[in-house]
Amino acid sequence: TQLLEQSPQFLSIQEGENLTVYCNSSSVFSSLQWYRQEPGEGPVLLVTVVTGGEVKKLKRLTFQFGDARKDSSLHITAAQPGDTGLYLCAGEVDGATNKLIFGTGTLLAVQP
Amino acid sequence: EAGVAQSPRYKIIEKRQSVAFWCNPISGHATLYWYQQILGQGPKLLIQFQNNGVVDDSQLPKDRFSAERLKGVDSTLKIQPAKLEDSAVYLCASSLVGTGGNYGYTFGSGTRLTVV
Repeated sequence: TQLLEQSPQFLSIQEGENLTVYCNSSSVFSSLQWYRQEPGEGPVLLVTVVTGGEVKKLKRLTFQFGDARKDSSLHITAAQPGDTGLYLCAGEVDGATNKLIFGTGTLLAVQP
Repeated sequence: EAGVAQSPRYKIIEKRQSVAFWCNPISGHATLYWYQQILGQGPKLLIQFQNNGVVDDSQLPKDRFSAERLKGVDSTLKIQPAKLEDSAVYLCASSLVGTGGNYGYTFGSGTRLTVV
């Protein structure tokens, strides 16, 4: 069974702080996606990384795919209350079938 | 473009009753997924359709859950009979064929089911 473990599980920080969320697996993925989910809504895609070692930036968010395509990280600089939500990584098991395995989730709360 | 539509948004039923959820994916998206999400956890895939055929239903509890996607467009997920542990949010998502890795999934807002 393929598993994606995220750490930390919960994170409560003050506005302006930096943070990193980790997503780890023993499996290799074709690509890896990060989603953010707000209460009462479905997950919304933030980014897709495809190549080992790839780094993508989305404003204050920096995403990195591990060289071996087994792990990923999300770094947020100067967190804002609007960053609050459940962050989910998702690994694409098979590019032919588009099947995604979701991580265990990291619940982030940014206090003003 | 219109997003993935799901209904109802909320449902409360007693254990052993039946319930059905409906999903209408984004127009042109051939692949449709149903996920179960326990509060605070990551979604778990229940079933994946490509057009009107099942690609993966390995984690669908087939003794009580069923799903269909007639005509390769909208889909229904049914639970009969419901158990207390079925309380969760049921998410529907869709994606373009062969491009999940590049474009990702588009999710609906989900149906929150409470079994009492």
